Amino acid sequence: EAGVTQFPSHSVIEKGQTVTLRCDPISGHDNLYWYRRVMGKEIKFLLHFVKESKQDESGMPNNRFLAERTGGTYSTLKVQPAELEDSGVYFCASSQFKEQYFGPGTRLTVT
Amino acid sequence: KQEVTQIPAALSVPEGENLVLNCSFTDSAIYNLQWFRQDPGKGLTSLLLIQSSQREQTSGRLNASLDKSSGRSTLYIAASQPGDSATYLCAVSQGSQGNLIFGKGTKLSVKP
Repeated sequence: EAGVTQFPSHSVIEKGQTVTLRCDPISGHDNLYWYRRVMGKEIKFLLHFVKESKQDESGMPNNRFLAERTGGTYSTLKVQPAELEDSGVYFCASSQFKEQYFGPGTRLTVT
Repeated sequence: KQEVTQIPAALSVPEGENLVLNCSFTDSAIYNLQWFRQDPGKGLTSLLLIQSSQREQTSGRLNASLDKSSGRSTLYIAASQPGDSATYLCAVSQGSQGNLIFGKGTKLSVKP
C-alpha cells in the first residue's frame, strides 16, 4: 500500500511569488490534514478535509493560503503571495479512523 | 488551550541503555495520544497510538504509557540501538478525527 506522498520535496521561491504544494493521501482515506513546522517551533495544524469538504480550517494563518481537495482525492495548498515567514516544512497526513499517517513533507524556502 | 511539552529537548545515551522520554499535556480531555519518530529530512513515522481509555501500548522494544488524569505520557525504549537515533514527537488529539497538537520533540542520540 502506498503511503502519503507530497510534491515537491523542496521549493525555493522569492517573496511575492506563488507556490502550490500537492498531497496525495493513502487511497481510501477520507480525512486529510495539512500541518506546518517553522524553524524552532512545534508542528502546527493548518486545516482538515473530510472528503472534499473543509472540516476545520482554524489553523490557516491568513488569506494568502488556499487549500483545495479535488473530488476528495489529492489536495493542494497554494500560498499567494509568499512571505518570508511562510518558510518551513509543510506536512500532509491522512487517516481513515484514528491513526494519522504523514507524508515526507515539502520544505518551502522563501527568499 | 491545549499545550504539549516534551522533556528533555535532547538526550544522548550509550548503546544498550533503557531510556524514557516524557510528554505532558495541559488539558486532560484528550481522545488519543500518538508517538512519532522523525528522521532527519524525513516525514513522521507513527510508533504507537494510545486511546484515552488505555493505560499503555507496546510494540517491540517500545512501550508507551498514558496517565490522562495527570496529563502525562512516557515512551520507554528498551535496549537502545544506534538506529533509534531520531527525533521523537508526542501529539494529542481532542476529537475522534481531530487535528493533532504536537510537542517540540526530543532529539535522541544513541552512541555505539
